[in-house]
Amino acid sequence: DTEVTQTPKHLVMGMTNKKSLKCEQHMGHRAMYWYKQKAKKPPELMFVYSYEKLSINESVPSRFSPECPNSSLLNLHLHALQPEDSALYLCASSQVRRGREKLFFGSGTQLSVL
Amino acid sequence: GQQVMQIPQYQHVQEGEDFTTYCNSSTTLSNIQWYKQRPGGHPVFLIQLVKSGEVKKQKRLTFQFGEAKKNSSLHITATQTTDVGTYFCAVPDNNNDMRFGAGTRLTVKP
Repeated sequence: DTEVTQTPKHLVMGMTNKKSLKCEQHMGHRAMYWYKQKAKKPPELMFVYSYEKLSINESVPSRFSPECPNSSLLNLHLHALQPEDSALYLCASSQVRRGREKLFFGSGTQLSVL
Repeated sequence: GQQVMQIPQYQHVQEGEDFTTYCNSSTTLSNIQWYKQRPGGHPVFLIQLVKSGEVKKQKRLTFQFGEAKKNSSLHITATQTTDVGTYFCAVPDNNNDMRFGAGTRLTVKP
């Protein structure tokens, strides 16, 4: 069981579609993350929010747009994606943004871009 | 940011055999974390090591942090089919965000 909830679990979208991934946690964590994971590869950091402020954007293309409406929610807006963006998108949270904090991951959204 | 090398990439064992995965860094680490990801699942935190020479055990799993805090290992004694998955080490980068090693994929033949 995970205390970080992600929806949807699966998503298939065309290259002209607009969709959003959602993530929610109720552990009172103040740091939230988006990771991208390709098959047989490690998770790669995309975005970090600390106290609802975007702290890091790992040179991710602008077709990915993160949003943190409040301390419990994290969204990832997708627009005009490419087939190479197909991957597992993982949301994670930690108590605060500090290198010694345990990461709690959601179950992920498996995204396929056609 | 921090770079950590993890080996081996794959390990296939017979049930009951031992398994070890290693992570090595060229720089001194403040800490290292280990995660397990089952096939089709998400990474789950296993443990964190902070002190030089630290050894921690969780049932059949033994985690070690090197004296120089540049390497770490995860050893599983007498593997079971439930141990199947990919084991990742993770280290903080210069921004204190966790970066993952390449992972070691463990398969266990019953």
